Amino acid sequence: DAGVIQSPRHEVTEMGQEVTLRCKPISGHNSLFWYRQTMMRGLELLIYFNNNVPIDDSGMPEDRFSAKMPNASFSTLKIQPSEPRDSAVYFCASTPDPLAGPYRETQYFGPGTRLLVL
Amino acid sequence: AQKVTQAQTEISVVEKEDVTLDCVYETRDTTYYLFWYKQPPSGELVFLIRRNSFDEQNEISGRYSWNFQKSTSSFNFTITASQVVDSAVYFCALVERQGAQKLVFGQGTRLTINP
Repeated sequence: DAGVIQSPRHEVTEMGQEVTLRCKPISGHNSLFWYRQTMMRGLELLIYFNNNVPIDDSGMPEDRFSAKMPNASFSTLKIQPSEPRDSAVYFCASTPDPLAGPYRETQYFGPGTRLLVL
Repeated sequence: AQKVTQAQTEISVVEKEDVTLDCVYETRDTTYYLFWYKQPPSGELVFLIRRNSFDEQNEISGRYSWNFQKSTSSFNFTITASQVVDSAVYFCALVERQGAQKLVFGQGTRLTINP
């Protein structure tokens, strides 16, 4: 079975440009999470969705960040305008349906997108 | 709020040694779930194990074993007869039943296995 798919794997952009990161969760999973990993702050939850609906976006740094999940198989995280301090690895993760059984809390991560903003 | 502490920032051992990674957690919830993830140099996060708060049985999987002790709020991870391929950053994490699926990670322990 395919795992969580993220694209692009690497992104280099210049300050002020718009960046869009993409994620396809594991088929059948109902919850999707976006994380950011930096040396200074470790792994931080940015936002998560249940059944395509944003549940908690309290981790989103500021208005420059936005996330959408138009359907069960696709989500985007957009940064506009990007800044050098946004440089990080961005992970997407998904979990099964909360009613699916005892492993519903286990989050499965994608390979990450390494973003560098110059 | 929940918190996970991995006090060991870096560990370096020689191949074939046993090594234990410590994890201490804080939570006010009576139902919670603990995890270990591995992040090899390639960067992906690999799920290793999940434990719920009602199951204090230790678990062994090959060279890996986990010791969950609610009395000390610890969930330690031991690698027996370590190998170079075990070199990675290991993260302990917690999600509360009431925490609406919010996974909280420790800062990670960088493990280096030297040949």
